[in-house]
Amino acid sequence: DAMVIQNPRYQVTQFGKPVTLSCSQTLNHNVMYWYQQKSSQAPKLLFHYYDKDFNNEADTPDNFQSRRPNTSFCFLDIRSPGLGDAAMYLCATSRDRSYTYEQYFGPGTRLTVT
Amino acid sequence: TQLLEQSPQFLSIQEGENLTVYCNSSSVFSSLQWYRQEPGEGPVLLVTVVTGGEVKKLKRLTFQFGDARKDSSLHITAAQPGDTGLYLCAGPPDFDSGGYQKVTFGTGTKLQVIP
Repeated sequence: DAMVIQNPRYQVTQFGKPVTLSCSQTLNHNVMYWYQQKSSQAPKLLFHYYDKDFNNEADTPDNFQSRRPNTSFCFLDIRSPGLGDAAMYLCATSRDRSYTYEQYFGPGTRLTVT
Repeated sequence: TQLLEQSPQFLSIQEGENLTVYCNSSSVFSSLQWYRQEPGEGPVLLVTVVTGGEVKKLKRLTFQFGDARKDSSLHITAAQPGDTGLYLCAGPPDFDSGGYQKVTFGTGTKLQVIP
């Protein structure tokens, strides 16, 4: 089945220790998104890629970086995690930027910062 | 300013009851999506509504898009424990500038269905 996969599902890191979260998709969608979600709140968009075109949200901290080496994979790098970065990180895809904007989410990675 | 306000924020009901969740905005939206998110999982797309006044049904769930495309509702008939989760509406505002519009997520409605 075509899907969005996130690894790992749970990640524990230490304060200040860099961490990388990964996302892969078999949907062959052009757009990939990274969201941060805290305790049953709405997901907050960090950035998105339209193909290889990177789009950063204005309020996304510099501590967060992303890479998309090819259509299928996307990575979220947190350079120096703080306690406030503990959250669920969601990867999502959409076929195109204008096709009804339907998004398909992965299961998420729960990040704990100790 | 939150473009998409959902109500109620929390809802706890008994199995078998009916409920309605609302998603309201002062802005016009090109389309609206509804997602359900179970605890510890990512949101799952339930439906997309595009045309003003459109009604879509998904088993016991009925979705409606307002005539002016500024609001939407989700009605669940005879709720079951499997309906428990966070319900999110989302969509792209229909600004005149055209081009790509970032998807806005609603504030969310957390539903608990008690057996």
